[in-house]
Amino acid sequence: AQSVTQLDSQVPVFEEAPVELRCNYSSSVSVYLFWYVQYPNQGLQLLLKYLSGSTLVKGINGFEAEFNKSQTSFHLRKPSVHISDTAEYFCAVSDQGGGSNYKLTFGKGTLLTVNP
Amino acid sequence: EAGVTQSPTHLIKTRGQQATLRCSPISGHTSVYWYQQALGLGLQFLLWYDEGEERNRGNFPPRFSGRQFPNYSSELNVNALELEDSALYLCASSELQGGHTEAFFGQGTRLTVV
Repeated sequence: AQSVTQLDSQVPVFEEAPVELRCNYSSSVSVYLFWYVQYPNQGLQLLLKYLSGSTLVKGINGFEAEFNKSQTSFHLRKPSVHISDTAEYFCAVSDQGGGSNYKLTFGKGTLLTVNP
Repeated sequence: EAGVTQSPTHLIKTRGQQATLRCSPISGHTSVYWYQQALGLGLQFLLWYDEGEERNRGNFPPRFSGRQFPNYSSELNVNALELEDSALYLCASSELQGGHTEAFFGQGTRLTVV
């Protein structure tokens, strides 16, 4: 079984400040890792994903994340946030092996609020 | 190219009734997934359909069911609605070829049970 822990349920920051949203996972098998963003009353949009290769992954809107296998973490970062980044962010994992047990397992989400 | 579309956007039902939610995947995608996003419970996996068959099911009672049609669109049916079924139901689709590397989500159906 897999699990995802997002360590902060809410993160308030000021505009133009850097931000890090933390994500740790637990799995007995190799996983793919994802960060999704959800704006109010909308579905989920993929920010970035780690499948293999370089552990530093760059995504849309200036976000990046680093996969750390030894710490089973996949923290999301942005060097300078904007008001428009205010949203809920979800970390998710899936089993690389796929098969009939495939599913995305999500963390409970982190609400990022960017204040002027 | 059209994304994943869900209908209706909002649905209000009375306890005990049945609800039907619909999802059209991105063209070329054969897999459809359903998730429930209830307040305080996060995103919970409900069902996965591929090529018309149910491939995996989350920890939900049998009154949650669905199907996938030959054109890969999908329906989620919830029978005997309970108040706690009130949630945002999200549908996602992906290409199965090469593994489950990315799922694209629709805008969701907000189900309210009164």
